[in-house]
Amino acid sequence: AQSVSQHNHHVILSEAASLELGCNYSYGGTVNLFWYVQYPGQHLQLLLKYFSGDPLVKGIKGFEAEFIKSKFSFNLRKPSVQWSDTAEYFCAVNPAGTYKYIFGTGTRLKVLA
Amino acid sequence: SQTIHQWPATLVQPVGSPLSLECTVEGTSNPNLYWYRQAAGRGLQLLFYSVGIGQISSEVPQNLSASRPQDRQFILSSKKLLLSDSGFYLCAWSKTGGSHGYTFGSGTRLTVV
Repeated sequence: AQSVSQHNHHVILSEAASLELGCNYSYGGTVNLFWYVQYPGQHLQLLLKYFSGDPLVKGIKGFEAEFIKSKFSFNLRKPSVQWSDTAEYFCAVNPAGTYKYIFGTGTRLKVLA
Repeated sequence: SQTIHQWPATLVQPVGSPLSLECTVEGTSNPNLYWYRQAAGRGLQLLFYSVGIGQISSEVPQNLSASRPQDRQFILSSKKLLLSDSGFYLCAWSKTGGSHGYTFGSGTRLTVV
């Protein structure tokens, strides 16, 4: 069955530290990839997405993610986190040509000021 | 611009009572519509999706049902709630084709007592 794994369930960082959140998926075909963020008390919002082309995609607020097809991974990165990045982050995979999105279990990030 | 409305925000219902959660989308036509349940530590679980009026696909067997009586209206229902139905329910929409990413509603916190 298709699945998405986010290995880090809770991450605590100090401001200005670098961030990398892992996301691996199990699906052999073409996929569209997404990262969503949910700030405390707010809706889930799209952070960035990958459809095709350059495997390094840049999103809002300085986030980026790299698609490594051989590793079935789409890790999220930010060089220097801020207190305002405290949120829960979800990776999602959409097998191309389908309507379904498969979400990971989420990673709670806490950034200490 | 497109907006998605979901209500109520919170709901406390006794076991055995019926349920009706409503979701409407504005500013677009023929959206794909989705119901997800978000559980702590388990991420987002797709419950139902719909690609058109009257077309409902169920992802997991459960005590819930969904209906799409109008193009931009998606309803989540139950005839008799169980304790295990408690959770956070999210409605989402995407453009036809599914690969553009979701826009999520604000969610409904359902507590079955």
